[in-house]
Amino acid sequence: AQSVTQPDIHITVSEGASLELRCNYSYGATPYLFWYVQSPGQGLQLLLKYFSGDTLVQGIKGFEAEFKRSQSSFNLRKPSVHWSDAAEYFCAVGTGGYNKLIFGAGTRLAVHP
Amino acid sequence: DGGITQSPKYLFRKEGQNVTLSCEQNLNHDAMYWYRQDPGQGLRLIYYSQIVNDFQKGDIAEGYSVSREKKESFPLTVTSAQKNPTAFYLCASSAGRETRQPQHFGDGTRLSIL
Repeated sequence: AQSVTQPDIHITVSEGASLELRCNYSYGATPYLFWYVQSPGQGLQLLLKYFSGDTLVQGIKGFEAEFKRSQSSFNLRKPSVHWSDAAEYFCAVGTGGYNKLIFGAGTRLAVHP
Repeated sequence: DGGITQSPKYLFRKEGQNVTLSCEQNLNHDAMYWYRQDPGQGLRLIYYSQIVNDFQKGDIAEGYSVSREKKESFPLTVTSAQKNPTAFYLCASSAGRETRQPQHFGDGTRLSIL
């Protein structure tokens, strides 16, 4: 069965530090992969997506993610974190056919000044 | 501005009561979705609709019902059969049924039990 694992429930970084959020997926075919961000009490905003082609994907707000098929991973990175990046981040895999997304449990990011 | 509007933002339900959550989109999207979000569990799909007058159960449809009479509207009813309705409910839409069409989300409705 398809699944998404985000191993880190909470991460705290200092403002200006680099960030990497981990995402591992389980899916038999080539996956469609997404990263979303959610601010408290808000909906989800799409950061970036991967369908095929270049395995390094650029997104909004300075985020990027790298698809590694051999590791079944799609980690999200940002070279320098801003206080406004504090939020919850969700990785999701699209399972093909109809547009069904399987979400990870999320990683809550805190940013220290 | 195009987007998805969910109302109300907060909703309270009494025991044995049905409540309806509204979701309206002006993106001209064909597909719409309802998710439930609980702390530490990510999002789980309740129902989805790919076209007007058609909808399908998701992973946790028991105790919920939906309708899709208009393209822009996809209301969710939480029935008294749903024994643990306290959660954050998110509505989403996408341009089509294909997975490469990203889903766009509303700002959610938080449902609590009185």
